[in-house]
Amino acid sequence: EVQLAESGGGLVQPGGSLRLSCAASGFPFSSYSMNWVRQAPEKGLEWISYISSASTTRLYADSVKGRFTVSRDNARNELYLEMNSLRDEDTAVYYCAREDAESGSTDYWGQGSLVTVSS
Amino acid sequence: DIQMTQSPSSLSASVGDKVTISCRASQTIAGHLNWYQQRPGKAPKLLIYSASTLHSGVPSRFSGSDTGTEFTLTITTLQLEDIATYYCQQSFTIPQTFGLGTRVDLK
Repeated sequence: EVQLAESGGGLVQPGGSLRLSCAASGFPFSSYSMNWVRQAPEKGLEWISYISSASTTRLYADSVKGRFTVSRDNARNELYLEMNSLRDEDTAVYYCAREDAESGSTDYWGQGSLVTVSS
Repeated sequence: DIQMTQSPSSLSASVGDKVTISCRASQTIAGHLNWYQQRPGKAPKLLIYSASTLHSGVPSRFSGSDTGTEFTLTITTLQLEDIATYYCQQSFTIPQTFGLGTRVDLK
């Protein structure tokens, strides 16, 4: 069974930093590209980052470019999102999600990790 | 960025009703259109990918179709467990973009 479990969320002050982790199991993690998608309170879904299976390609939404960094450790089956210079508008539930190579769809999602940016 | 326009933004229906949700892309996406279901307080789940292919384990009452830039999600017979918000997403280009969602509740 495919499982994705995010951790590391919490309350942080504006301008602060936080690192999210996503533990993957139930599938060959090193063979899949991964995405981060976030959802602000009572809002829709926003794609924010992509990393290819071997980390050769990393992509970001304009809203987080230069502040967030995606990485992965295929030996540990883990995905990460390093978030710096956090703003109020970064408050959201952050989901890690596996990408299906053929369709580009995000076929499995974690349960999400809440990040609250507030003073 | 490709804009995804969903309609309606919300609808009310009874158990057993047929429900139809539309999604339009601002430019061609070559059928790279996916539908997700998000129940309250839960993570999204993939329902349909590539416009019309049912994801593993998804009930057959869900179906998808397209006419190029116009896409449709249909629930043939609404069940209680289908009360949720539905999102379309294009995976043709980066950034992947989502529609604003269609909230389905009980009449």
